[in-house]
This record gives sequence, C-alpha cells and structure tokens, in this order.
Amino acid sequence: KAGVTQTPRYLIKTRGQQVTLSCSPISGHRSVSWYQQTPGQGLQFLFEYFSETQRNKGNFPGRFSGRQFSNSRSEMNVSTLELGDSALYLCASSNGIGAVGLGNTGELFFGEGSRLTVL
Amino acid sequence: AQTVTQSQPEMSVQEAETVTLSCTYDTSESNYYLFWYKQPPSRQMILVIRQEAYKQQNATENRFSVNFQKAAKSFSLKISDSQLGDTAMYFCAFMKARLGNQFYFGTGTSLTVIP
Repeated sequence: KAGVTQTPRYLIKTRGQQVTLSCSPISGHRSVSWYQQTPGQGLQFLFEYFSETQRNKGNFPGRFSGRQFSNSRSEMNVSTLELGDSALYLCASSNGIGAVGLGNTGELFFGEGSRLTVL
Repeated sequence: AQTVTQSQPEMSVQEAETVTLSCTYDTSESNYYLFWYKQPPSRQMILVIRQEAYKQQNATENRFSVNFQKAAKSFSLKISDSQLGDTAMYFCAFMKARLGNQFYFGTGTSLTVIP
C-alpha cells in the first residue's frame, strides 16, 4: 500500500503570496488531517476533513483553509503569507470511520511533510 | 481545552540501556486516548504505542511500554534495550474519544541513543 504523499516537499514564498499544498492519503482512508510543525511548538492541529466535509478545526486564522475531494485527496491553502507561517506542514490520514473504538483505530499515518519557507 | 506537556526537550541514553520520556496532560474529558509518536530525522512520523484511558493495564509494544497514571494525568514512555534506530523526536499526543481525529501534541523530546 502506498503511503501518504505530500507535494511539494519544499517551497519558498515571499510575504503576501499564497500557497497551496496537496496531500494524497492512503488508499481507503477517508480522514485527512493537517498539522503545522514548528520548533518549540510541536504540532498544531489545523483541520480535519472526512468525506469532503470539514469535521474539526483548530485555532488558526481564516487565512488557512482546506478542502477535500471525492477521491479523499486534500489541499490546504494559506493566503497572505506571513513570516510566521514558515513551518513543516504535515498531512495525516486515517480510516477515521466513527469514533475511536468503533472502527476508528485512532492511528494517524503521516506524510513526509511540505516545508514552507516565507521570506 | 486540552494541553500536553513534555518537559524534557532533549535526552540521551547509552545503547542497550533504558530511558523514560515524560508526558503530562490536562483535560476535563473522562474518556480519551493517548499516543506516543516517533519522528526519526528527516523521516515520517510513525505510531509507537497507544493507550485507551478506560483501560487500567499499561500498553506494551515490544521494547516500548507506558506508565499511565490517570489520576495524575501522566503518560510516560519507557524504551528498554535502546537501539541506535530509536534516535528520533518523540511526541506525546492526546485525542478525545469522540467522532473526528483531532490530536493535541506535546512539543516533543529529542532522544539520542549513544553507541
């Protein structure tokens, strides 16, 4: 089974620009979550999508948005980039069907991440 | 709100020795799940071990075991017979036992296994 694939792996943008990151989950996984990883802050939850619907959302400004397609692939978009948006953006997929213990193992399968540098 | 605290930013251990990584969390939830994830240098994060809060028995996966103290809201990871491949960043994580996968992660502990 192919793992979680994120593209692009590295990108450099300037302040004010926007960026779109892509994530292809493991085949059969319908839940896709996005996390921002920065040194000293750990992983911060951005949002989760399940069957094309945003199911959970973290405490990030509206500049951060996402969507999920019918094939479960997901994209996240950051508009009006700021220096503080420089981070590793991780995508994770899971079977996510039902609450944990009811078919949902709770295990996240992560991609290698997209490293965004904002200059 | 849920918070996860890892108070040891960096640790080291001699190969074949045992090391314990600490994690505390704060929540008002009665049912939840706790995880330890491992992120090797420049590699994908993978699950190490999972604990259901309603289970009193501590989870064990080969050389990895946890000490789960629900009343103290403590969830430490013990690595026995440390191997060079254990060198990685370790993240403690919390998830509510309800629909949806929203994890709360600690800031991580960087573990180095010394040959």
